[in-house]
Amino acid sequence: DAKTTQPNSMESNEEEPVHLPCNHSTISGTDYIHWYRQLPSQGPEYVIHGLTSNVNNRMASLAIAEDRKSSTLILHRATLRDAAVYYCILRRTGANSKLTFGKGITLSVRP
Amino acid sequence: DSGVTQTPKHLITATGQRVTLRCSPRSGDLSVYWYQQSLDQGLQFLIQYYNGEERAKGNILERFSAQQFPDLHSELNLSSLELGDSALYFCASSVGSEGATYEQYFGPGTRLTVT
Repeated sequence: DAKTTQPNSMESNEEEPVHLPCNHSTISGTDYIHWYRQLPSQGPEYVIHGLTSNVNNRMASLAIAEDRKSSTLILHRATLRDAAVYYCILRRTGANSKLTFGKGITLSVRP
Repeated sequence: DSGVTQTPKHLITATGQRVTLRCSPRSGDLSVYWYQQSLDQGLQFLIQYYNGEERAKGNILERFSAQQFPDLHSELNLSSLELGDSALYFCASSVGSEGATYEQYFGPGTRLTVT
């Protein structure tokens, strides 16, 4: 599986936008970029995924670089409930659908 | 609520014992995955079943086994337990087995403590 690199941690203020970066310089053309998050004491939950174009859903936006070697998860207005570990994961078309988690980025949100 | 249920929520047992963790997937999902989360190893994929058949194996010890039943619920059996098996065990489900776009829905986990 291609590898992703994320900062260990980030801090943000409540009600401000948050940009969580992910580098994936060895991404292949058939790799989808997925984001999951894990709130304290809960199982991971799906956030968003994309292939080439930027994507929006009710939880977040995903901005994908033109060369696809990096992406950014954008939370438009952070809330205290968004404090979690965010995982950037690559999933290859046609491959088994298991998830390979890295260390993720721990997001802290200040009131 | 993801729709995935896991029982029990907590389990405390002694070394050398055997336990069974149970998972019911979301309605309509055919794939079940098991993951282990420990402080030192992070979240690791153990095994996947799709419609009753094993589809993929990850870092699953020989002391561990799993199965998926005709009603699609799954059980993870852990035997000859060691202190290092203490961890959170998550079950997840998805509609399909392969492919890069299926979301996985995770249950709340079973916290296993081996004393």
